[in-house]
Amino acid sequence: AAGVIQSPRHLIKEKRETATLKCYPIPRHDTVYWYQQGPGQDPQFLISFYEKMQSDKGSIPDRFSAQQFSDYHSELNMSSLELGDSALYFCASSAQIAGYNYEQYFGPGTRLTVT
Amino acid sequence: QKEVEQNSGPLSVPEGAIASLNCTYSDRVSQSFFWYRQYSGKSPELIMSIYSNGDKEDGRFTAQLNKASQYVSLLIRDSQPSDSATYLCAVKGSGGGADGLTFGKGTHLIIQP
Repeated sequence: AAGVIQSPRHLIKEKRETATLKCYPIPRHDTVYWYQQGPGQDPQFLISFYEKMQSDKGSIPDRFSAQQFSDYHSELNMSSLELGDSALYFCASSAQIAGYNYEQYFGPGTRLTVT
Repeated sequence: QKEVEQNSGPLSVPEGAIASLNCTYSDRVSQSFFWYRQYSGKSPELIMSIYSNGDKEDGRFTAQLNKASQYVSLLIRDSQPSDSATYLCAVKGSGGGADGLTFGKGTHLIIQP
């Protein structure tokens, strides 16, 4: 079965640079979520989108922004990168059925290293 | 502030035995509960979801939910070495929309051959 696709899988940036992460949801999934997982930490919810509209917002820094496009893929834009932004970034997707989003399926993640 | 609590372990279980993982949550209005398995450096993999009080079985896995006690558990029968991983309990709020999950810090499970 098709899964969530994320690119790139690995990214190395320097402090104060910008980064863009991409996420392609499972086919026919209309909802996308972004999570950040630091070393030894649990995943922290950043932001979600349904039908191109922001749906829920978690602990996303103001330096980060995201959007969902008409083909349902999503991009997470990160500016003024800091050393503390080094983490695994996961995208998850789900399908809304009768107004309810059920299970979230995670992509393989992007490992961001800020030097 | 929603909180999800898990014993971090490590929980060591002999191969073939039953592994029991527990989770409590603070937000009484939470409606959706999930167990994810995560191998080191990999993404969380959905194992079970449960929405109603009681038990839900899927193969070797059984999830149990008690909303009155705000308690969720996962039983793994006939534990295999490949079950060794971190198990994350995740909770979603009362809304049916695209709400983010709140995760516990995970229980590190070790299955001893």
